Amino acid sequence: GNSVTQMEGPVTLSEEAFLTINCTYTATGYPSLFWYVQYPGEGLQLLLKATKADDKGSNKGFEATYRKETTSFHLEKGSVQVSDSAVYFCALSTLSTQGGSEKLVFGKGTKLTVNP
Amino acid sequence: KAGVTQTPRYLIKTRGQQVTLSCSPISGHRSVSWYQQTPGQGLQFLFEYFSETQRNKGNFPGRFSGRQFSNSRSEMNVSTLELGDSALYLCASTRWGASSTDTQYFGPGTRLTVL
Repeated sequence: GNSVTQMEGPVTLSEEAFLTINCTYTATGYPSLFWYVQYPGEGLQLLLKATKADDKGSNKGFEATYRKETTSFHLEKGSVQVSDSAVYFCALSTLSTQGGSEKLVFGKGTKLTVNP
Repeated sequence: KAGVTQTPRYLIKTRGQQVTLSCSPISGHRSVSWYQQTPGQGLQFLFEYFSETQRNKGNFPGRFSGRQFSNSRSEMNVSTLELGDSALYLCASTRWGASSTDTQYFGPGTRLTVL
């Protein structure tokens, strides 16, 4: 079945440090890949997405490239800020054979804390 | 454009009771999905509705049900609540939900606590 594996946290960094959160997936067909972010007490916000191999999603200084050969979608940011402290979820979207609708499959989430 | 709204934001119930949660999607979005988030199991798909029809269902017992109205608003119901149903319930909407490239937009969630 479809699954997402992302690095377990928590991850603690100092401000301006480089961030990488690893994400690998298993899927049949051609999934789209997403990173969502969840701030304390809130729902999920879309951070970035990529819909086909070699696509790069980017937003707010975060980037991730859809690597089909390594089935990966690692999240990176060159210089993190305290405001980036949150939980980050990698997800894939596939069309279900049941009803033809899409659904998201999520990784377990990685908690990031950035200290000043 | 207003985002996805969910009501109520917080609920406290006791075992055996039932609960109804509500979700209003982004205007123009016709697909609504529900997810359960718990510390142990993470984010799990409950079901998806489009044009008042359930198109897809996750692996949850029949105590979990939902429906969608003609204005695309959706409700989910949990009957005979168990302690393990304590979770954050998230609703997401997308325009059609018929392509893996569609983006799902999430609401703030309803935090359900079962005592």
